[in-house]
Amino acid sequence: DQQVKQNSPSLSVQEGRISILNCDYTNSMFDYFLWYKKYPAEGPTFLISISSIKDKNEDGRFTVFLNKSAKHLSLHIVPSQPGDSAVYFCAASERLAGNQFYFGTGTSLTVIP
Amino acid sequence: NAGVTQTPKFRVLKTGQSMTLLCAQDMNHEYMYWYRQDPGMGLRLIHYSVGEGTTAKGEVPDGYNVSRLKKQNFLLGLESAAPSQTSVYFCASSYSPAGLGKQYFGPGTRLTVT
Repeated sequence: DQQVKQNSPSLSVQEGRISILNCDYTNSMFDYFLWYKKYPAEGPTFLISISSIKDKNEDGRFTVFLNKSAKHLSLHIVPSQPGDSAVYFCAASERLAGNQFYFGTGTSLTVIP
Repeated sequence: NAGVTQTPKFRVLKTGQSMTLLCAQDMNHEYMYWYRQDPGMGLRLIHYSVGEGTTAKGEVPDGYNVSRLKKQNFLLGLESAAPSQTSVYFCASSYSPAGLGKQYFGPGTRLTVT
């Protein structure tokens, strides 16, 4: 059973606009969340993370928001650039239990020039 | 500094054949992981290791074996390949456990079982 879900398989956005990628989780014990970016024929690369003690974390053009009550996180990219076109995965884990990340199915972002 | 490397990049097997996928990391990481990626399924953990000489099962371990004889290497074995094991396999490593840090991924191995 998928504990981390990304319900939008794909997203298209105009260059310069905001991209919003969403992720939902079912396990209330998850308290550490990451976003990875993946280009074709490459492995995923780490983008940004957030722990459950925060509700927002920013790194340049990338901001992750966490809504614990809704078990929902989102990744905002502002402004979107053509080089952001990739598949984005969210992942979740329990900090103090286990050694496993649970990944979502990914959202393919296309930024149109 | 090569990071995480995987060998081979591509492989085609016939049903019943065996093979070993090699993962190597040069970052002195304790933790190593094998994932598979299938369409519509995201990345699923097969096996992982928390240090040299240790291995543990992940979400989907059946049909696979692993070994971590050296800290820098993590091997994934398929003893008798099945078409259901057609997938892209990613190795990852990390300095910290999953709940405390990010993972570094290799470029992947595309395996087709006919």
